[in-house]
Amino acid sequence: ETGVTQTPRHLVMGMTNKKSLKCEQHLGHNAMYWYKQSAKKPLELMFVYNFKEQTENNSVPSRFSPECPNSSHLFLHLHTLQPEDSALYLCASSPGLAGENEQFFGPGTRLTVL
Amino acid sequence: GEDVEQSLFLSVREGDSSVINCTYTDSSSTYLYWYKQEPGAGLQLLTYIFSNMDMKQDQRLTVLLNKKDKHLSLRIADTQTGDSAIYFCAEGDSGTYKYIFGTGTRLKVLA
Repeated sequence: ETGVTQTPRHLVMGMTNKKSLKCEQHLGHNAMYWYKQSAKKPLELMFVYNFKEQTENNSVPSRFSPECPNSSHLFLHLHTLQPEDSALYLCASSPGLAGENEQFFGPGTRLTVL
Repeated sequence: GEDVEQSLFLSVREGDSSVINCTYTDSSSTYLYWYKQEPGAGLQLLTYIFSNMDMKQDQRLTVLLNKKDKHLSLRIADTQTGDSAIYFCAEGDSGTYKYIFGTGTRLKVLA
């Protein structure tokens, strides 16, 4: 148990569906992250939020829409996804800057797009 | 840009030591990290080392850091089948909120 929870753990959706992934951290951290992990590819940073402000957007397609209402919650809204978006989506949090702080991960949401 | 490299696979026999290697580029990172990922799970922080240290030991884990060569290694003593997983080396991009991960080394422990 890392203090970072994600729901749902598994999600199957069609290309025309709209769904949301939720992440919550109970660690009092300021920064929250979304990563995409596909088979046989490196971990891809998607978005970073610090104190609810987005600090990184790694050229992610607009069919992925993040939302950070407060420093404990992070959402990833999904719409009109493609089969190649099937992956493990990982949420993480950290207390502050990357060079000086540990990062803690949630268990991930396994997404399958049909 | 910053880059972290690891070999992709390592296979060892149960009871032997495993050594997973990593090279990184950002010499200003204060922390360097090792994560473990078991099948279907998220990344679990195993250990980390301050950049002003050469070595850190934590039970069966030993981390060695060679700052001159920007080389980091993770040694697992008395490797068990439960250690089979993917191990990621990571560094923090100084002054940002970005962490740079290696591609991961898949460790397979043979009984």
